Formats: sequence, C-alpha cells, structure tokens
Amino acid sequence: NAGVTQTPKFQVLKTGQSMTLQCAQDMNHNSMYWYRQDPGMGLRLIYYSASEGTTDKGEVPNGYNVSRLNKREFSLRLESAAPSQTSVYFCASSALGKETQYFGPGTRLLVL
Amino acid sequence: QKEVEQDPGPLSVPEGAIVSLNCTYSNSAFQYFMWYRQYSRKGPELLMYTYSSGNKEDGRFTAQVDKSSKYISLFIRDSQPSDSATYLCATPSNSGYALNFGKGTSLLVTP
Repeated sequence: NAGVTQTPKFQVLKTGQSMTLQCAQDMNHNSMYWYRQDPGMGLRLIYYSASEGTTDKGEVPNGYNVSRLNKREFSLRLESAAPSQTSVYFCASSALGKETQYFGPGTRLLVL
Repeated sequence: QKEVEQDPGPLSVPEGAIVSLNCTYSNSAFQYFMWYRQYSRKGPELLMYTYSSGNKEDGRFTAQVDKSSKYISLFIRDSQPSDSATYLCATPSNSGYALNFGKGTSLLVTP
C-alpha cells in the first residue's frame, strides 16, 4: 500500500517548455487535489477532482490543466512553463465524505 | 481576510519544553479542524483531527478548539528533536471539498 505517489520527484524546465506531473493513489479515494507550496504562501489549491470525471478550479488555476484519468490517477499539466511556476507541487486524495486529505511526497519544479 | 491565519515562526525551544502552536480562523460555521506535520522536503501528514469545540489528546499532542474566539491550538508536551518540523493548521473551505491551510509554523527543538 503506497498511498499517494508522485512522479517525477524533481524537474528542471526552461521557460516555455511543457510537462505533466503524475499522481496516483491506491486507497480507492474519490477525491484528488493538486496544491502548490511556496515560501511565505503556504499550500494553495490549484485544481481538484471531487470524483472521477469531474474537475474544478481552485485558488490558483491559471497556467495549469488537469486530467482525472481514472479513479486512481490525476495529472497536472503545464503547457508553457513560466518562472513563476517554480514551486513544490503536492497531490492529495481523500475518501468520499471524509475531510482528511493524504498527501504525496511532492514534485520539486524549477523553471529557468 | 484569509480563512485561516498562522504565525510562521520560526519557533525554537529546548528539548522537553511545552510547545504551543496557534491559528485563528474566520468562519464561525467551521465544524472541524486539522493539524498536519511536514518534515523538510516531505509531504504534509495528518497529525490531529478535531471536531467542534474542546480538546483532543493523542500521546504528547493535544489539539484545542475555542469556537467563541475562533482560535485553534496544538500543544506538544515533552518536545523532542524529532518534533522539529513545520506544523500546518487546516480548516474546511467554502467550496466544501478542499481545505484551507495556514502558512505553517516552523518548529525547531534543540537537544
């Protein structure tokens, strides 16, 4: 039982490049989330998926897209990376009707 | 006004001290509150979950909610160097799905 896994662990991009951050959970959770964490800003919600087939914007969605591929997987895509997207990205999941979120280990992204 | 406010610290205490970490929240309708612990370069992990008012104890950790003043606290007794981490408080968000996190308080427990 791995919980929430994220790939890659670390990535360096040049401005304008694209990439997809992958997230998978093996806890049969319905809801999944993408956050970014920046110094002095805390955790901010980018997008979430309340259930398979649905996605909604969070607090800071601009410059990102998401795909809920199936119940297990929720990916985050940067179409044209910008230095302002340098951050640590966390994926989380929660069970139906439960508030507790379980986090992955994070992806550190540096955009030059 | 942010839905949850937290003093970022850093907070440095000697081993064995009692630590008090605090947050304030804005929405009096919130019914549950959480504390997450985040070690350096790791993801947040749930530490305590409290519903409504009062205290909840788990080993050396006590979570307290004062709904009248919209204040939540985490107390750590007999603090250990392994408690050195960032502690994040969390409340529900108005969307009903996500959580609102405080910015986190960095704690260092020195031997």
